[in-house]
Amino acid sequence: DAGVIQSPRHEVTEMGQEVTLRCKPISGHDYLFWYRQTMMRGLELLIYFNNNVPIDDSGMPEDRFSAKMPNASFSTLKIQPSEPRDSAVYFCASSAHPGRLPYEQYFGPGTRLTVT
Amino acid sequence: GQQVMQIPQYQHVQEGEDFTTYCNSSTTLSNIQWYKQRPGGHPVFLIQLVKSGEVKKQKRLTFQFGEAKKNSSLHITATQTTDVGTYFCAGRPGGSQGNLIFGKGTKLSVKP
Repeated sequence: DAGVIQSPRHEVTEMGQEVTLRCKPISGHDYLFWYRQTMMRGLELLIYFNNNVPIDDSGMPEDRFSAKMPNASFSTLKIQPSEPRDSAVYFCASSAHPGRLPYEQYFGPGTRLTVT
Repeated sequence: GQQVMQIPQYQHVQEGEDFTTYCNSSTTLSNIQWYKQRPGGHPVFLIQLVKSGEVKKQKRLTFQFGEAKKNSSLHITATQTTDVGTYFCAGRPGGSQGNLIFGKGTKLSVKP
């Protein structure tokens, strides 16, 4: 398996622009997670899905952020409009159902977002 | 809300010295996982502990889960330069579905 795939790997955009990050989880995994990592705040869970349904989006910073999972093999995280404080590394991770061990989270390589 | 506290935030050691990072939860955890993130990389799963008082070893790494399932530790014996990175604990609160609560991590640097 290729692991969790994220695109793009790097994104540089200007303040006010829309940014879309993409993720393909590992085939067969029931859970998909979006994280944001910064030096100041560490690794923050933004939202996670179970069987394509959003379960907990309490970590989404504000209405400018939205996430979708239209099918089991694809998810997007959108920021509109983007702001400089959104600059961070965004990770997508997936895991199998807890009833099927092991269910550790497999992280993608991340998207480094810079908003100028 | 539920929190997982991890200390220390940074640790600088001389190669060959031991290293320990500690993790404490405000609530009982159903299990705890440990991840390692190399500089510029992404978190990679190391191990999972499930049972109260459980101890697991991976070569020079020893992982412990507390009796009350609220704390955990990772100990590295005789550190090497390849151990450099940030170590995260991540706990799954009892009764939760699939999410983990990550500690802020301990960044380990090893001086040759």
